[in-house]
Amino acid sequence: DTGVSQDPRHKITKRGQNVTFRCDPISEHNRLYWYRQTLGQGPEFLTYFQNEAQLEKSRLLSDRFSAERPKGSFSTLEIQRTEQGDSAMYLCASSLDLGASNYGYTFGSGTRLTVV
Amino acid sequence: AQSVTQLGSHVSVSEGALVLLRCNYSSSVPPYLFWYVQYPNQGLQLLLKYTSAATLVKGINGFEAEFKKSETSFHLTKPSAHMSDAAEYFCAVTQDSGYSTLTFGKGTMLLVSP
Repeated sequence: DTGVSQDPRHKITKRGQNVTFRCDPISEHNRLYWYRQTLGQGPEFLTYFQNEAQLEKSRLLSDRFSAERPKGSFSTLEIQRTEQGDSAMYLCASSLDLGASNYGYTFGSGTRLTVV
Repeated sequence: AQSVTQLGSHVSVSEGALVLLRCNYSSSVPPYLFWYVQYPNQGLQLLLKYTSAATLVKGINGFEAEFKKSETSFHLTKPSAHMSDAAEYFCAVTQDSGYSTLTFGKGTMLLVSP
């Protein structure tokens, strides 16, 4: 297992277009998280999944954003009708949560989105 | 509610000098605290975490941090900086033992000069 993989690494899109990012977590990890990082800021929580269930969504996740994890493995994050303010690094992370303990996040390298 | 404040967006040290990166937190319940490092165009790598077992936490690459409840601080230190330590460092807090959501600070860029 090579860690958390994100695809693509970079995406340039025109305003108004839809984009979709993919995240492949560490195979035995049951939790998957999406964070957004803008220039000069720390990562901000967007949403997370426990297996295939989306358990929490941030108010940052407007109705233009949708995330799925259909079989509890990989996840996709789609942004519809992109705006320039969506330009950011989108980070995916995964972890193994066993109820009484969580062994901490492993982050992917991120997808950098530029909306022109 | 929880929040993190990192004092100093940039810290410059000479190689071999002490590294001190400051983090103050706000939490209504006992927190779990983390330090992450981010190299350019890469994701975040966990340096260390505080989970109430011990107030002095040792991490990877010679880093350590001390949890001080009275000062609501969790400063990161390293006795001797190396050129390879140059990166951005993030402090994060959560009130959830399952780490479902982390709240990050804005980060501190560590610059190391020869």
